[in-house]
Amino acid sequence: QVQLVQSGAEVKEPGASVKVSCKASGYTFTNYVLHWVRQAPGQRLEWMGWLNTDNGNTKYSQKFQGRVTMTRDTSASTAYMELSSLRSEDTAVFYCAREVGATLAFDYWGQGTLVTVSS
Amino acid sequence: QSALTQPASVSGSPGQSITISCTGTSSDVGSYNLVSWYQQHPGKAPKLMIYEVTKRPSGVSNRFSGSKSGNTASLTISGLQAEDEADYYCYSYALSSTVLFGGGTKLTVL
Repeated sequence: QVQLVQSGAEVKEPGASVKVSCKASGYTFTNYVLHWVRQAPGQRLEWMGWLNTDNGNTKYSQKFQGRVTMTRDTSASTAYMELSSLRSEDTAVFYCAREVGATLAFDYWGQGTLVTVSS
Repeated sequence: QSALTQPASVSGSPGQSITISCTGTSSDVGSYNLVSWYQQHPGKAPKLMIYEVTKRPSGVSNRFSGSKSGNTASLTISGLQAEDEADYYCYSYALSSTVLFGGGTKLTVL
C-alpha cells in the first residue's frame, strides 16, 4: 500500500535550518510529484512548493522562496524539504503529499513532522 | 499571494445538508478546474474529498459533492453525520504554477 513516512519531530533554534524527509513506498517514486505543506498550530494549511521527483525540478511558493530547498534521492525513494533561517513563526507541522496525476490533488499524505523553533 | 476565502465556520444538524464556499479570483478558481477539497480532523493529516471541482476519489462517500460558479467553488455535504465534524480546506491552482489554500472552515454537527 502507498505510504509516505516522514522523519521525526525536531527542535531548532532561531536562525538554524531543518531538513525533513519523506520516504515513499508502495508505488514508483519517480512517477508522482510531491508537494510540501505547512500548518502552524491552529492555523490553515499553507502550500510551500512542489518537487518533480523524476527530474528534480521544483516550484516554490513566493512566501518561502529563498529559504526552502526541495530535493530527492531516487535510490532511496525519499524526498527532502530544507527550510533555513528559521524563526519562531516557522513552528509548524510540515507535511509531504503526493499529487494525483496532473490534477494538483493530493491523494496520500505523510503523517506530518512537527518542527519547533525556540531558543 | 492571498488565501482563498472560506467562511470561518458552518454548522448543521444530523441529516441536514450544508455548503461551504471558497471564493477566489479570475486568476485561480475562476480560470482553472483544479479545485480540491480536504477534510482534516484534529491532529490528523488532511484527506482528499473532492478534486478537479467535482470528482470524488474512490472510498469517499457520495454525500460529498463539489461545484463551481465563476470565481467561487463549493463543497456540499448532504445527510450530515457526526463524523463529518472537521475542518475543511479548499485549494486551487493559480497563475505561475502556484497553489492557494483557503483559510479553512470548521464544520460543527449540532
